[in-house]
Amino acid sequence: NAGVMQNPRHLVRRRGQEARLRCSPMKGHSHVYWYRQLPEEGLKFMVYLQKENIIDESGMPKERFSAEFPKEGPSILRIQQVVRGDSAAYFCASSPNQERAFFGQGTRLTVV
Amino acid sequence: QKEVEQDPGPLSVPEGAIVSLNCTYSNSAFQYFMWYRQYSRKGPELLMYTYSSGNKEDGRFTAQVDKSSKYISLFIRDSQPSDSATYLCAMSQNTGNQFYFGTGTSLTVIP
Repeated sequence: NAGVMQNPRHLVRRRGQEARLRCSPMKGHSHVYWYRQLPEEGLKFMVYLQKENIIDESGMPKERFSAEFPKEGPSILRIQQVVRGDSAAYFCASSPNQERAFFGQGTRLTVV
Repeated sequence: QKEVEQDPGPLSVPEGAIVSLNCTYSNSAFQYFMWYRQYSRKGPELLMYTYSSGNKEDGRFTAQVDKSSKYISLFIRDSQPSDSATYLCAMSQNTGNQFYFGTGTSLTVIP
């Protein structure tokens, strides 16, 4: 059983461009979470999704950020018009039952 | 007050030592407790998972949960240089919408 797959692993975007981060959960997992991690900081919750539904997006900025988990295909975290402050590691996690989460290797976004 | 408090360290121990890592929390509704290990520039790896109070042992690792004190611990016996990493505690509620993380403790095991 493959783990949580995230791509790309590294992403460089110029200010004002769009960043699109992908996450394929583990097989059989219907719960997907996105977290953001800044250097020397912990993991900050952004959004929790189940198939085709956003359950909790309380940690996600209201503007420029959006997430989806379509019926078919990976979950996508989209950041529009990126700014330097968006540079961080973005981690996706999946869970079969909300009791424990398994993380991917992350996407490191650098905005130049 | 943060939901989960964790001493960031850094913690440095000699090889073979017993390591104790701890977290406290404020939300009595937390039911599931986890410890993750994160190597530099990698994703967090689930080490231990415990439901409610009690102890759980897996090889050199022992996780303890004391819900009455809102305190969880991870013990690493016979520590190895390969254990050098950041250790994150995490917890969640029954049918909760997120996992709450400590800020992580940086551990270095010196050969």
